[in-house]
Amino acid sequence: GAVVSQHPSRVICKSGTSVKIECRSLDFQATTMFWYRQFPKQSLMLMATSNEGSKATYEQGVEKDKFLINHASLTLSTLTVTSAHPEDSSFYICSASGGQGKPEQYFGPGTRLTVT
Amino acid sequence: AQSVSQHNHHVILSEAASLELGCNYSYGGTVNLFWYVQYPGQHLQLLLKYFSGDPLVKGIKGFEAEFIKSKFSFNLRKPSVQWSDTAEYFCAASYGAGNKLTFGGGTRVLVKP
Repeated sequence: GAVVSQHPSRVICKSGTSVKIECRSLDFQATTMFWYRQFPKQSLMLMATSNEGSKATYEQGVEKDKFLINHASLTLSTLTVTSAHPEDSSFYICSASGGQGKPEQYFGPGTRLTVT
Repeated sequence: AQSVSQHNHHVILSEAASLELGCNYSYGGTVNLFWYVQYPGQHLQLLLKYFSGDPLVKGIKGFEAEFIKSKFSFNLRKPSVQWSDTAEYFCAASYGAGNKLTFGGGTRVLVKP
């Protein structure tokens, strides 16, 4: 099946620094990748949708300058949390799909971000 | 805005009991429906999906779901659960030609041995 990886799995950073999270589709070309945030004991909240080679589309209330998304290739998307603050601590999950006609999303294992 | 709701936040049951998890979605035209499972410490896995055709969908691990258009529902069922079914279950929907998923709030299922 389709495999999506994320790196790192856990990261601890100091307030004010930036953190980059990578999402890779290992065995298929992901024309679309999605970034979610999951708070403890809550559901997934979609942050943004990124299509390869174009700007990401952010959901309402998500600051695009704070959460920078790059989808430079069909197998890699990155999420950079800029100037992180403790309230950005969360579980970030990416998913990938093969695009139009292939609506299934395959999820990465997630990245636990802790901002101290 | 589209929404997906799951009726139960927590379900506790014994092994061999039957499981049914409710899911309702808001109307939005063409809809694709999914059930995902998240085992403790693991990532989301697709259990089953409905795009069109037979409204009774069979998935992995003995799960099935029934799409009832008139009720905007897509309930998940398993006739006899096992301890290994302990997990969180998420219903999700995508609307139209887009792939964007709207998730329900999730249901935590605890199966007691």
